[in-house]
Amino acid sequence: SAVISQKPSRDICQRGTSLTIQCQVDSQVTMMFWYRQQPGQSLTLIATANQGSEATYESGFVIDKFPISRPNLTFSTLTVSNMSPEDSSIYLCSVIGDNYGYTFGSGTRLTVV
Amino acid sequence: AQKVTQAQTEISVVEKEDVTLDCVYETRDTTYYLFWYKQPPSGELVFLIRRNSFDEQNEISGRYSWNFQKSTSSFNFTITASQVVDSAVYFCALRIPGGGNKLTFGTGTQLKVEL
Repeated sequence: SAVISQKPSRDICQRGTSLTIQCQVDSQVTMMFWYRQQPGQSLTLIATANQGSEATYESGFVIDKFPISRPNLTFSTLTVSNMSPEDSSIYLCSVIGDNYGYTFGSGTRLTVV
Repeated sequence: AQKVTQAQTEISVVEKEDVTLDCVYETRDTTYYLFWYKQPPSGELVFLIRRNSFDEQNEISGRYSWNFQKSTSSFNFTITASQVVDSAVYFCALRIPGGGNKLTFGTGTQLKVEL
């Protein structure tokens, strides 16, 4: 199955700043997914990123706050903009691997102070 | 709309005990996929199993087993002879082919295995 390299693994950021999270996949994939996991909570899909088109955002998430890039079939970035403490979460990228098994990156633990 | 319910928020067992994690799902689709993931304290999500709606065979993999019952919309996960390394949050998830390929997760069950 696909292997995902996600960076950074963790960061502590000042409120009002932005952080860009990167995911690199070792094979070409059509769709990449970005999830957020707030402390002690389940995973919630932020958006689906397809190469060559705008990302599709889920209800409650907007492009101005979470801009996504998908320049090719192996790479995507998620930016968390104008951060507040409420954005403190784990952010994970995911791809559909073989036999519809979903593979996840190792996650980015973001703390906003 | 689809939904996954994991009613057990936290379970504590003593090592070597068997433990079952419950998962109940809701969907109107006849074709769907169910998953279990393990999230250890390090935070990564580890894929454990995928099951499609047409395959009701139960599965065993080492100390892990899964019981899929469409009649009760359940996909329960049993760990036999639990070990401390099994301590983690376990998530059940559902995917509908026509739903943009996204996974709908349950709220997770925190399993603590103590010596």
